[in-house]
Amino acid sequence: SQQGEEDPQALSIQEGENATMNCSYKTSINNLQWYRQNSGRGLVHLILIRSNEREKHSGRLRVTLDTSKKSSSLLITASRAADTASYFCATETSGSRLTFGEGTQLTVNP
Amino acid sequence: DSGVTQTPKHLITATGQRVTLRCSPRSGDLSVYWYQQSLDQGLQFLIQYYNGEERAKGNILERFSAQQFPDLHSELNLSSLELGDSALYFCASSPRTPGQGRNEQFFGPGTRLTVL
Repeated sequence: SQQGEEDPQALSIQEGENATMNCSYKTSINNLQWYRQNSGRGLVHLILIRSNEREKHSGRLRVTLDTSKKSSSLLITASRAADTASYFCATETSGSRLTFGEGTQLTVNP
Repeated sequence: DSGVTQTPKHLITATGQRVTLRCSPRSGDLSVYWYQQSLDQGLQFLIQYYNGEERAKGNILERFSAQQFPDLHSELNLSSLELGDSALYFCASSPRTPGQGRNEQFFGPGTRLTVL
């Protein structure tokens, strides 16, 4: 079974709006990563946040991590149609293994 | 372009057959991971190799096997194929040593396997 669970499963917004996706996990982690997947393509690494970090920014991306609640959120600001994709969180535990969630399908309408 | 290559892009075969999927990691990456992505199971970790040695196993069936060669390319062998094996198979590589942490992975474009 998946370690991470994303919420919502699907999100549809207008260009220019912000998109927020959430991820919950079950066990202790070394870090949490977010990946993006365009339809039928390979996953692309977006951002990594370590277990001792609470917030991280990269361009229009903002990630938060709450280890007490075992949850993370990914915020995409000023969304664009090109941001349409599936977004996955992945937790890294000991041994460097990544466990992926089920993903959030984001649709940004022009 | 992640730098990870996978061949073939598409593969159509029949039940009971055997296929081999190939992956070349990014230059310098010693770790290779295989994943299976299907609609009903999501993205499942299959197996990890580091510098030619198996390091971790996930939800890999006994009908499936893999290896990493001295030149670091890897192959995933799928045998006695069933309809349910139809999926996207991804290879990923990482520059990190297992256990080093911060294991950012770089994914290939995938091989779409269809079993008829």
